[in-house]
Amino acid sequence: AQTVTQSQPEMSVQEAETVTLSCTYDTSESDYYLFWYKQPPSRQMILVIRQEAYKQQNATENRFSVNFQKAAKSFSLKISDSQLGDAAMYFCAYRTMRGAAGNKLTFGGGTRVLVKP
Amino acid sequence: DTGVSQDPRHKITKRGQNVTFRCDPISEHNRLYWYRQTLGQGPEFLTYFQNEAQLEKSRLLSDRFSAERPKGSFSTLEIQRTEQGDSAMYLCASSLADRPRYGYTFGSGTRLTVV
Repeated sequence: AQTVTQSQPEMSVQEAETVTLSCTYDTSESDYYLFWYKQPPSRQMILVIRQEAYKQQNATENRFSVNFQKAAKSFSLKISDSQLGDAAMYFCAYRTMRGAAGNKLTFGGGTRVLVKP
Repeated sequence: DTGVSQDPRHKITKRGQNVTFRCDPISEHNRLYWYRQTLGQGPEFLTYFQNEAQLEKSRLLSDRFSAERPKGSFSTLEIQRTEQGDSAMYLCASSLADRPRYGYTFGSGTRLTVV
């Protein structure tokens, strides 16, 4: 079974600075998707960024970018120019492309991001 | 369409009582998922539907839990004889079966407290 590990329970960043969240995963699959989700306090979880494993190029969405290292099974998220609205729980998630098992997301335990003004 | 809706937002119940939660997915989404999230943890998969068919259930889903999706539209999750360990946030999400790269759209969740 696939597992996703986020080793940083909490990260603090100064407004306008950069923070990097780490994520590692364990899988025997070669084709899969990786996601970062943001969950603000008492609000719904929203998709921040996705990465297809077959793509070598790292995904970027505005101030959010990933460093995808397939061989190392590592998928870190970098938040640049941090804003107060970035404060939230961030979850790394894995989804295989293979058959019925690809129908669910497996989440890591989350990293809480605090943004200091 | 305003996204995935869940009702109620909060539910407090006494141990041993039955509770039922409702989820209304995005109308064109044919897949619907239920997850459970305990405080400070990531969501854990419970079950999912494609249209009205329940295709997979986690071992987390004990016999006290049942989920339905009649007519492939809204879904209900019922917990019978609630226990304190059932206290958690129950998240619903939906997606299109042929668009896996887009992940899910989540609802705001139902927070259950069993006292």
